[in-house]
Amino acid sequence: DAGVIQSPRHEVTEMGQEVTLRCKPISGHNSLFWYRQTMMRGLELLIYFNNNVPIDDSGMPEDRFSAKMPNASFSTLKIQPSEPRDSAVYFCASISDGNTEAFFGQGTRLTVV
Amino acid sequence: QQPVQSPQAVILREGEDAVINCSSSKALYSVHWYRQKHGEAPVFLMILLKGGEQKGHEKISASFNEKKQQSSLYLTASQLSYSGTYFCGTATSGTYKYIFGTGTRLKVLA
Repeated sequence: DAGVIQSPRHEVTEMGQEVTLRCKPISGHNSLFWYRQTMMRGLELLIYFNNNVPIDDSGMPEDRFSAKMPNASFSTLKIQPSEPRDSAVYFCASISDGNTEAFFGQGTRLTVV
Repeated sequence: QQPVQSPQAVILREGEDAVINCSSSKALYSVHWYRQKHGEAPVFLMILLKGGEQKGHEKISASFNEKKQQSSLYLTASQLSYSGTYFCGTATSGTYKYIFGTGTRLKVLA
């Protein structure tokens, strides 16, 4: 398996624009996580899905953020409208059932100017 | 509530030992440890489940005290390759909600 695949790797956008980040988890993994990493706050859990169902989205900062998982092999994180304070590295991670390791994608570095 | 790690940063010479602590305000079911190199994704080191077990991985080991809601990562005879930021990830019973700690930056000097 190629691991968790995220796209794009880098995104630069203007304030107010819509941004969509994409993630393909490892085949067979049942749980998917979206994290945001900044120097100030470290790794923050935004939302996680289990069997394609959002289980906990309490970490989503505000209504401008939304996430979907239409099927087991694809998830999106959307920011609309984007703001400069959204600039961060966004990681997607997946795990199989049970307490096993989380595999992280390479991340998307988002810059909102 | 994000687990708190200590120290925030540590500098070592090759061959020296270090301990990184992770404390949670919530009852924990499992603790994961990850290392992240600059510009890269976090990489899994080990997982500990409740029961106070200690695990080892080469010269890196960890313990988990569920009563104290704490875990510690032990780095023995550190190598240059150990440099990076270490995160603990915690999960409470019955969930896969992995919350990561505040991180500890570790630098090993030659």
